[in-house]
Amino acid sequence: GAVVSQHPSRVICKSGTSVKIECRSLDFQATTMFWYRQFPKQSLMLMATSNEGSKATYEQGVEKDKFLINHASLTLSTLTVTSAHPEDSSFYICSATPGLGYNEQFFGPGTRLTVL
Amino acid sequence: AQRVTQPEKLLSVFKGAPVELKCNYSYSGSPELFWYVQYSRQRLQLLLRHISRESIKGFTADLNKGETSFHLKKPFAQEEDSAMYYCALTQGGSEKLVFGKGTKLTVNP
Repeated sequence: GAVVSQHPSRVICKSGTSVKIECRSLDFQATTMFWYRQFPKQSLMLMATSNEGSKATYEQGVEKDKFLINHASLTLSTLTVTSAHPEDSSFYICSATPGLGYNEQFFGPGTRLTVL
Repeated sequence: AQRVTQPEKLLSVFKGAPVELKCNYSYSGSPELFWYVQYSRQRLQLLLRHISRESIKGFTADLNKGETSFHLKKPFAQEEDSAMYYCALTQGGSEKLVFGKGTKLTVNP
């Protein structure tokens, strides 16, 4: 089956620093990647939709300057949390879909971000 | 706006008992409905989708447009079914998933 990886799996950083999270589709080309945020014991909240070679589309209420998304190739999307603060601490999950009418999303294992 | 409601946060049954996880949606168009499952310490994965009309791991789900429901059922629950279950929908050809809040199923021995 299709595999999506995320790196790192865990990251701890100081307040004010920036953190980059990578999402890779390992065995398929992903025309679209999605970034979600999951708070403890809550559902996944879609943050943004990322298409290769174009600007990401952010959901309402998500600060695009805070959460920078780059989809540089058909197998890689990155999420950079800029000037991180403790309230940004969360579980970030990416997913990818091959597109072309096949809209199943394949999920990464997630990245636990802790901002001190 | 589209919404997915899973009324039960927690559901506990005994092994061998039937289980039903409820999901209701609100959407004016023709959505595509999904059930995703997340086992302990594992990633989210697709369990089934309504257009496939198939049974996976003994689970089935029927889309009821009149009641706007997509309940997940299994006649005989197994301990390995214990997991977090999320109902989700996509809208009219879009790839964006809207998730419910999830139901944690515990199957007791």
